[in-house]
Amino acid sequence: DSGVTQTPKHLITATGQRVTLRCSPRSGDLSVYWYQQSLDQGLQFLIQYYNGEERAKGNILERFSAQQFPDLHSELNLSSLELGDSALYFCASSANLARSTGELFFGEGSRLTVL
Amino acid sequence: AQKVTQAQTEISVVEKEDVTLDCVYETRDTTYYLFWYKQPPSGELVFLIRRNSFDEQNEISGRYSWNFQKSTSSFNFTITASQVVDSAVYFCALSEASTGANNLFFGTGTRLTVIP
Repeated sequence: DSGVTQTPKHLITATGQRVTLRCSPRSGDLSVYWYQQSLDQGLQFLIQYYNGEERAKGNILERFSAQQFPDLHSELNLSSLELGDSALYFCASSANLARSTGELFFGEGSRLTVL
Repeated sequence: AQKVTQAQTEISVVEKEDVTLDCVYETRDTTYYLFWYKQPPSGELVFLIRRNSFDEQNEISGRYSWNFQKSTSSFNFTITASQVVDSAVYFCALSEASTGANNLFFGTGTRLTVIP
């Protein structure tokens, strides 16, 4: 158990809809990362938050957005969903940037299926 | 731009055989970090190892060992005396100091099947 909690574990929805994925980082971790794992794109970095502020952006679509709340949990919002958004979405956390060893602790992922 | 290549898509070995998973990377940074993660059938990503670009010392952890060679831009992973529980997809990843030490770029993974 990595200590990172993601909900829901599975989600099935229709095209055009909007969903929210939730992540609680390990206790004490200030950084939260979102990754997408799909068959055609592999594992891709989407976005990073540190202590409530956006730190880095990867290949995140404009239809997607994220935020990190004062209690450090994070949400990834996916809107106007398309079939190609079907993927496993991972959240990961890491310690304070200044003391980071580069090790990310991943949650079990949220599997999104868009029909 | 950074790139991680895992040329072996799938590997099958018989239990107790040794197996090496290859990883070749590209980066322009002089300071970078290399990782291996394991993704078992249950789906989670499990951290195995991290290596700094300035530390080429090889590492051994039980049945696992890693060979980092900057001259060939490779960071290969060997499992000795493989076991069925080693069956998983293994990802090599790279991060760069210039783009964020914790922003990982993953290879496409190698699916290892250990046959009993």
